Amino acid sequence: DAGVTQSPTHLIKTRGQQVTLRCSPKSGHDTVSWYQQALGQGPQFIFQYYEEEERQRGNFPDRFSGHQFPNYSSELNVNALLLGDSALYLCASSLAAGNQPQHFGDGTRLSIL
Amino acid sequence: QKEVEQDPGPLSVPEGAIVSLNCTYSNSAFQYFMWYRQYSRKGPELLMYTYSSGNKEDGRFTAQVDKSSKYISLFIRDSQPSDSATYLCAMSLTTSGTYKYIFGTGTRLKVLA
Repeated sequence: DAGVTQSPTHLIKTRGQQVTLRCSPKSGHDTVSWYQQALGQGPQFIFQYYEEEERQRGNFPDRFSGHQFPNYSSELNVNALLLGDSALYLCASSLAAGNQPQHFGDGTRLSIL
Repeated sequence: QKEVEQDPGPLSVPEGAIVSLNCTYSNSAFQYFMWYRQYSRKGPELLMYTYSSGNKEDGRFTAQVDKSSKYISLFIRDSQPSDSATYLCAMSLTTSGTYKYIFGTGTRLKVLA
């Protein structure tokens, strides 16, 4: 049973650059959510995608955008990177949109220099 | 006041001890209550979840929800060094087409051999 997979595992960028992170959901899941996790903190919700649409968004600026493809995989894009964007970016999948329990991938660790 | 409060620890216990991890919350509308385990440099792994109130047991793990006190607990029996990780509680609700999925900050647990 394939779990949630994310790529790349680690990325180093400089301020002002743009980055794209990728996620494939757990087999059988159709909903993808993205989270940002700072060191020593719990994950913070960025947005959720279902049926290729952004269904809900957390308190993140428009520099953070996403996409979901017909095969349910998803991308997270971050523009104009800031030092404060350095974090672990987690993708989670679930069956159906909303508040169902979510399964997480191992994340992409993004470092901004 | 945060919606979900969790003591960050660290919590150190000897091997074989019973571990009690707890979270409190302020929003009585939460419906799902989850516990995740996160090893260093890995994503959160869903351990257990409960819908509404009550207890749930899975092997050495027991999750309890007390909605009257707005308090949830995870008990680990016969703790092992391999249980050393950060434990995150999470809670979710859906209302009027929107949803929340909120994490605690996590409790670091160290089980000493």
